[in-house]
Formats: sequence, structure tokens, C-alpha cells
Amino acid sequence: DVKVTQSSRYLVKRTGEKVFLECVQDMDHENMFWYRQDPGLGLRLIYFSYDVKMKEKGDIPEGYSVSREKKERFSLILESASTNQTSMYLCASSLETSNQPQHFGDGTRLSIL
Amino acid sequence: GQNIDQPTEMTATEGAIVQINCTYQTSGFNGLFWYQQHAGEAPTFLSYNVLDGLEEKGRFSSFLSRSKGYSYLLLKELQMKDSASYLCAVPTGGGNKLTFGTGTQLKVEL
Repeated sequence: DVKVTQSSRYLVKRTGEKVFLECVQDMDHENMFWYRQDPGLGLRLIYFSYDVKMKEKGDIPEGYSVSREKKERFSLILESASTNQTSMYLCASSLETSNQPQHFGDGTRLSIL
Repeated sequence: GQNIDQPTEMTATEGAIVQINCTYQTSGFNGLFWYQQHAGEAPTFLSYNVLDGLEEKGRFSSFLSRSKGYSYLLLKELQMKDSASYLCAVPTGGGNKLTFGTGTQLKVEL
């Protein structure tokens, strides 16, 4: 089974802090994704990566950056956290072959105070 | 661009059958996914349809009509554990990116 592991289930940070969310997958997937999930808005793509050191913006990249130094690890960075970034953050991975399902981690519920 | 519509909430009775609809508008169709997400948990993959028709997988079936831009997820013999949010999603551009609907929250009652 694919295992996607996010470093924290719950995280509380303060406004202005730099926040790192880590995600590791164990199935050698090429593609990795970061989403945020908010009530009434569903899952929205922040960034994705299709290879090491490669990244592309999703639908809502403002205020975020990412890092993919190794194939198995994809990090989401909040450069200067703000209260409107309080959300559930979900990481996912998939094979690069077309139309492969994405496999999700359990999510990190991030609160910015 | 992509536009996906699902009902926000549905309620059904244990043992019954429920159909969750999803309509989509895409610039180029390349299949449709269904996911299940229990509260506080990760979405899990249920099904993928790329051709018209019904695909059955145990108690769950998924239907696609490409000409109508329409899909549904059919859940039979409902159990309490089927209470969850059901998300439909369509591929968007390359790299296996997906655009998700906002999800249908299903509540199964006794």
C-alpha cells in the first residue's frame, strides 16, 4: 500500500512565523501535490511537483512556496504565516502515468493565531 | 477551465441505496475520479471512469456519461460507516493534477 506521511496532524503557529509542513511518500511516485481544504471550498491545489527540484504553481500559490530536494519528500513553506492560512493541508502523490489516482496523507490541521 | 457541481448534503437510511451526482464542464475530458473522505481523515480513492457506462465494485458503482457531462456514485446496502464526504474530481492539464468538486456530505441514519 502507498503510504503518504505528513509530519504533524495538528500545528499551532503565530502570525508572521515561517512554517514548514513536511510530506514523505514511500512508493517512488514522481508527482506530489499540496492542497488546502476549507469548508464550502473543497480541495484547492497550492503547488505540485512532477520531479525532483521541479515545481509548478497550482490555483492558490500566493503566500506559499515549496521544496523538493528528494523524490520522496515535498515540503510546503508558509513564508510569513497569516490568519487566513488557517486550514487543513493535505499532501498527495501519484505515479506520472496519465490518470493515476492520487494518494493522500492524513492532513495537517494548521492554526495561525 | 473546469467546473464541477455536486449536492452539498444528502441523508439516507441504513440498508438503502443512494445516488450521488456530479456534473462537470471541462475544456478537455480525460476521465473522472471519485474519492471518499471520512471526517478528519485522508481522501481515499474509490473509482475512475473514462468510458461511458457503469463500473461496479462491490457495494459501490460509478457511472459516466461523457455526452452529458455527468457522473454518479451509487452506494448499495448502506452502512453507518458509509457516512462520509464523497468527492468527484477531473484531471486538469498535465501531471495528473485534479480539480475537485466541493464534495457531498452523506449521512446514513438508522
